Amino acid sequence: GESVGLHLPTLSVQEGDNSIINCAYSNSASDYFIWYKQESGKGPQFIIDIRSNMDKRQGQRVTVLLNKTVKHLSLQIAATQPGDSAVYFCAENDGGATNKLIFGTGTLLAVQP
Amino acid sequence: NAGVTQTPKFQVLKTGQSMTLQCAQDMNHNSMYWYRQDPGMGLRLIYYSASEGTTDKGEVPNGYNVSRLNKREFSLRLESAAPSQTSVYFCASMGWGRGSYEQYFGPGTRLTVT
Repeated sequence: GESVGLHLPTLSVQEGDNSIINCAYSNSASDYFIWYKQESGKGPQFIIDIRSNMDKRQGQRVTVLLNKTVKHLSLQIAATQPGDSAVYFCAENDGGATNKLIFGTGTLLAVQP
Repeated sequence: NAGVTQTPKFQVLKTGQSMTLQCAQDMNHNSMYWYRQDPGMGLRLIYYSASEGTTDKGEVPNGYNVSRLNKREFSLRLESAAPSQTSVYFCASMGWGRGSYEQYFGPGTRLTVT
């Protein structure tokens, strides 16, 4: 599984800029990846997902890139807004039949007005 | 359609006390999950239930038990609470939505053990 750290990585961006949040995963058998957004005091909320047979998927203002060679996942947010401020988690399906997700530590995105 | 609901929202226990966290989903999902989240950290899987009648251990099952009462409900029990179990607990269910599988989370239960 992924290592868990005591300090949350933080990305600070200006409103209107593009944000890129990165995630490394460890399981080569993982075949499905999800990005979640968690606002303070709330449960995680699904943003976008990608299967291992794809390397890019676009949503509304968000793009997920998958590089299986280096086991790296990124979330790009276009024209970042104050409402995007939250903790972002990547999660990987463990490749088994039970849809068990393993979550990364998370990145705090702070949008400066 | 309420999604995933959890009760209670907040709870304070003394060391050694027991309690059950309740979770229900109305989306007819087969899979349900219990996670804990400690400050500044990601979610860690405690137990999960791939379908009604089955439960399996996750990463951190010690000190917990679960019951998949029916397809809708999945409860988490702390038999003898310890301060190390102070955390925020999230229940989730997984099903097909928006063209892919999604895991839907409840609002969380904030548990403090003194």
